[in-house]
Amino acid sequence: GAVVSQHPSRVICKSGTSVKIECRSLDFQATTMFWYRQFPKKSLMLMATSNEGSKATYEQGVEKDKFLINHASLTLSTLTVTSAHPEDSSFYICSVLYRVATDTQYFGPGTRLTVL
Amino acid sequence: GDSVTQMEGPVTLSEEAFLTINCTYTATGYPSLFWYVQYPGEGLQLLLKATKADDKGSNKGFEATYRKETTSFHLEKGSVQVSDSAVYFCALSENQGAQKLVFGQGTRLTINP
Repeated sequence: GAVVSQHPSRVICKSGTSVKIECRSLDFQATTMFWYRQFPKKSLMLMATSNEGSKATYEQGVEKDKFLINHASLTLSTLTVTSAHPEDSSFYICSVLYRVATDTQYFGPGTRLTVL
Repeated sequence: GDSVTQMEGPVTLSEEAFLTINCTYTATGYPSLFWYVQYPGEGLQLLLKATKADDKGSNKGFEATYRKETTSFHLEKGSVQVSDSAVYFCALSENQGAQKLVFGQGTRLTINP
């Protein structure tokens, strides 16, 4: 399967600061990536679909000005949590869509964000 | 909207026991169905999938059959191993392209030797 990395794996920040999380597709070019959020003991919730070279598509209820997504290249998408608050603390997971033959999503290992 | 419901965890079994993790879904159309597995410290991996009614997905000894009449996609394995300990997620996608996955809440499985 495809290899997807995320950086950082853990981050702790103060309220009011911004945090950037990177998602990289290491062995193929991905035109479509997804960002999910997972609360403790809860399911993954799709936040947005990131398309290379165009604006991300956000799910209902997700603030696009709060969660900035940039997909500037075929191997990198970034999620920036702006003016972070403690309620933004969560596990953020990205995935890439591999269309060739299998049409499967491959997931990164996730980033644990803690906002103090 | 679409939704997926899994049996509550955690589930603890002894090695070589039979495993069933129940999954039911609600969808307006004819979704594709998936089971993903998350091993400790790793990202979600696709375990198996089925794209139409009566299809059976299988991988690594796990099986699940797409049952349209009961809107279910239960995961089964005849003899579990300690290495199967992980969190299992049932998911659906309304279109064939595996886009916009809707996940169940996950079931943590622990296998004791």
